[in-house]
Amino acid sequence: EAAVTQSPRNKVAVTGGKVTLSCNQTNNHNNMYWYRQDTGHGLRLIHYSYGAGSTEKGDIPDGYKASRPSQENFSLILELATPSQTSVYFCASGDVRGGNERLFFGHGTKLSVL
Amino acid sequence: GQGVEQPAKLMSVEGTFARVNCTYSTSGFNGLSWYQQREGQAPVFLSYVVLDGLKDSGHFSTFLSRSNGYSYLLLTELQIKDSASYLCAVLNNNAGAKLTFGGGTRLTVRP
Repeated sequence: EAAVTQSPRNKVAVTGGKVTLSCNQTNNHNNMYWYRQDTGHGLRLIHYSYGAGSTEKGDIPDGYKASRPSQENFSLILELATPSQTSVYFCASGDVRGGNERLFFGHGTKLSVL
Repeated sequence: GQGVEQPAKLMSVEGTFARVNCTYSTSGFNGLSWYQQREGQAPVFLSYVVLDGLKDSGHFSTFLSRSNGYSYLLLTELQIKDSASYLCAVLNNNAGAKLTFGGGTRLTVRP
């Protein structure tokens, strides 16, 4: 079974602080994604990546940066965290362009910005 | 642009069925996926459809009409444990590997 691991599981940050959410996958998938999930909005795509060194803007990229230093790792960076970024963040991996349209999700990171 | 819409809530009765609807608009449809998400957990893949018609997978079946921008997930012989949120996601051919999710439908199965 494919494995996607996120860290930390829970995070409390202060407004204006820097937050880094990490994601590791052992599936050798090319594509990785960062979504946030809020009540009433479902999953919204922040950034995604086609492979090491690649980052693409999703539907709501403002206030976020992403980094894909290797096939296995994909980070989401909040340089100046704001309370509106309080949410649950999910990382996922998959090869949706390879004919296998299944995403594997991590367990999520609950971020609270005070 | 691209939009994926789902009703927020659905209620049904144990032993019967539930149909979770999804409508979408996209300039380059390349397939639609369904995921189940239990409270406090990550989404889990259920099914992927790209061809019109009904795809019967037992407890979960999916239907797609590309001309109408419409899909549904059909759950039969409902059990209480089927209570969860069900998310549909559309893959846009013009946007590489970008998957856009709907808001999800929270299904409640009552005895």
